[in-house]
Amino acid sequence: KQEVTQIPAALSVPEGENLVLNCSFTDSAIYNLQWFRQDPGKGLTSLLLIQSSQREQTSGRLNASLDKSSGRSTLYIAASQPGDSATYLCAVRVVDNNNDMRFGAGTRLTVKP
Amino acid sequence: ETGVTQSPTHLIKTRGQQVTLRCSSQSGHNTVSWYQQALGQGPQFIFQYYREEENGRGNFPPRFSGLQFPNYSSELNVNALELDDSALYLCASSPGGTGVYGYTFGSGTRLTVV
Repeated sequence: KQEVTQIPAALSVPEGENLVLNCSFTDSAIYNLQWFRQDPGKGLTSLLLIQSSQREQTSGRLNASLDKSSGRSTLYIAASQPGDSATYLCAVRVVDNNNDMRFGAGTRLTVKP
Repeated sequence: ETGVTQSPTHLIKTRGQQVTLRCSSQSGHNTVSWYQQALGQGPQFIFQYYREEENGRGNFPPRFSGLQFPNYSSELNVNALELDDSALYLCASSPGGTGVYGYTFGSGTRLTVV
């Protein structure tokens, strides 16, 4: 059964720092991995989608990498800002007949001014 | 292009009652999935509908049921509500039923069961 783990559970950094969020998954049979942002009590905003054949995706200050063989992905945020404060979730699209996505529990990021 | 919209945004129900949550998929998307997110946890897959047929289901009891309509909008119905059903319910849509597509999520419906 696919398990997704995100470390750390919470992270607090000063504004301007570069930071890395980690996501690991137990089964490499995935279609893709998606990173989301969630503000308190709100829905999910898609940040980056990496297909299983890709190694990384970039959008602005965000860069996500995928190493399917080792079951790892990282989300790199450059020059963090207070507006980046949110919970970041990773999810893998599992190769099975059930069409589900498995989520980690998220990393709660606080960027201090 | 409109995104995924969910209604209502908040709902309070009494244990044992029934509830219906609604979702309009993003334009051009024919697949809708529903997720339950308890406080402090990641979303859990409830089920997925592709072209009006259920094509995937998570570990949820039969009192969780759904529908997808010809315009690809969807409903989630929960019967015999329990206190543990209190959660944020998220709807997501994608352009296809399987494989490589990413998902677009709505803002969710916060359900409180008292």
